[in-house]
Amino acid sequence: AAGVIQSPRHLIKEKRETATLKCYPIPRHDTVYWYQQGPGQDPQFLISFYEKMQSDKGSIPDRFSAQQFSDYHSELNMSSLELGDSALYFCASSLGAQAGASNQPQHFGDGTRLSIL
Amino acid sequence: GENVEQHPSTLSVQEGDSAVIKCTYSDSASNYFPWYKQELGKGPQLIIDIRSNVGEKKDQRIAVTLNKTAKHFSLHITETQPEDSAVYFCAALGNVGKSTFGDGTTLTVKP
Repeated sequence: AAGVIQSPRHLIKEKRETATLKCYPIPRHDTVYWYQQGPGQDPQFLISFYEKMQSDKGSIPDRFSAQQFSDYHSELNMSSLELGDSALYFCASSLGAQAGASNQPQHFGDGTRLSIL
Repeated sequence: GENVEQHPSTLSVQEGDSAVIKCTYSDSASNYFPWYKQELGKGPQLIIDIRSNVGEKKDQRIAVTLNKTAKHFSLHITETQPEDSAVYFCAALGNVGKSTFGDGTTLTVKP
């Protein structure tokens, strides 16, 4: 079965540079979530999109932005990168997580490991 | 916001023994509780989930129990095998869909 695809798998950047992470959800999934996981920590929710609209926002810095496109893939744009941004970034997808609907299982990709030098 | 506590942080068992991981949550509006297994270099993999209208769910060697009144839920793995060794995360979700994770439990199954 098709899974969530994230690219790139690894990314090395220097301070103050920009980065773009991409997420391709499971076919027919209309909701994507972005999480950040530091070393030895649990995933922290950043932002989510349902049907191309932002559905919720967590601890995402103002330097980061994200969007979901008409084909449901999503991109996380990160600017003015800092050493503390080094982490694993996961995307997850699910069906229809609009407010009031029953939660559907979220399926995670294998992440992008971002290293800031 | 939601707060999820998970215990223990590390758990070591002998192959064939059972393992139990416990989580508590704070927000009574949370209604969906998944468990994830994360292996090194991979994303969290959903292994079982339970909704707030159910008290127990089982899938082969894995079971989850939920006590809504006490706001806690537990993962039970029976007949553990070395390949069960991984980090396990519990999570709690309300209606909007974002997951709040516990801090994780590193399970080691010794052959």
